Amino acid sequence: DADVTQTPRNRITKTGKRIMLECSQTKGHDRMYWYRQDPGLGLRLIYYSFDVKDINKGEISDGYSVSRQAQAKFSLSLESAIPNQTALYFCATSDLRGSGRTDEQFFGPGTRLTVL
Amino acid sequence: GEDVEQSLFLSVREGDSSVINCTYTDSSSTYLYWYKQEPGAGLQLLTYIFSNMDMKQDQRLTVLLNKKDKHLSLRIADTQTGDSAIYFCAVKRGGYNKLIFGAGTRLAVHP
Repeated sequence: DADVTQTPRNRITKTGKRIMLECSQTKGHDRMYWYRQDPGLGLRLIYYSFDVKDINKGEISDGYSVSRQAQAKFSLSLESAIPNQTALYFCATSDLRGSGRTDEQFFGPGTRLTVL
Repeated sequence: GEDVEQSLFLSVREGDSSVINCTYTDSSSTYLYWYKQEPGAGLQLLTYIFSNMDMKQDQRLTVLLNKKDKHLSLRIADTQTGDSAIYFCAVKRGGYNKLIFGAGTRLAVHP
């Protein structure tokens, strides 16, 4: 089945460590997104990419970086993790033309990151 | 910027109707979405409505849009225990390609 996968699903790390979260998709979508979810705050956009050569900051990009290695892969890095980056991280994909312009986003299962 | 607000919690009895409300600030919003998040899972699109529509019905789901008041609602008829989840309202502004999400409403269905 076409899918959005995220690795790892859970990660515990220490303050100051560099962490990479990976996202892969088999949907053939050109658009990919990284969000973080915090209780009571909903989802907030970290970075998004509309194709391999396009990277854009979202509303909370400080402390994060991304890499779009291929159309199907979009990774999120925390250069030096801090405790307030403890959250649930979601990758999503969309295909504007294929969706009839609704641009529905398809989400991965999430990565639970804990920074001690 | 766009602001999307939802109440955080709703409790209903099994078999009753649930109504989840959402308000937004940007009148240029084009598409408005309802996503469902079950425990331990990502978000799945339930339904959406285009801004030139007032209502959309899909089986047990009814979406109402009041553009004047910038108010969106999701009604779930005959609510079942399997409907227990967090429901997110999201809006897409005209001319932009990003979604703005509300904080999510946790729906609890009890016998």
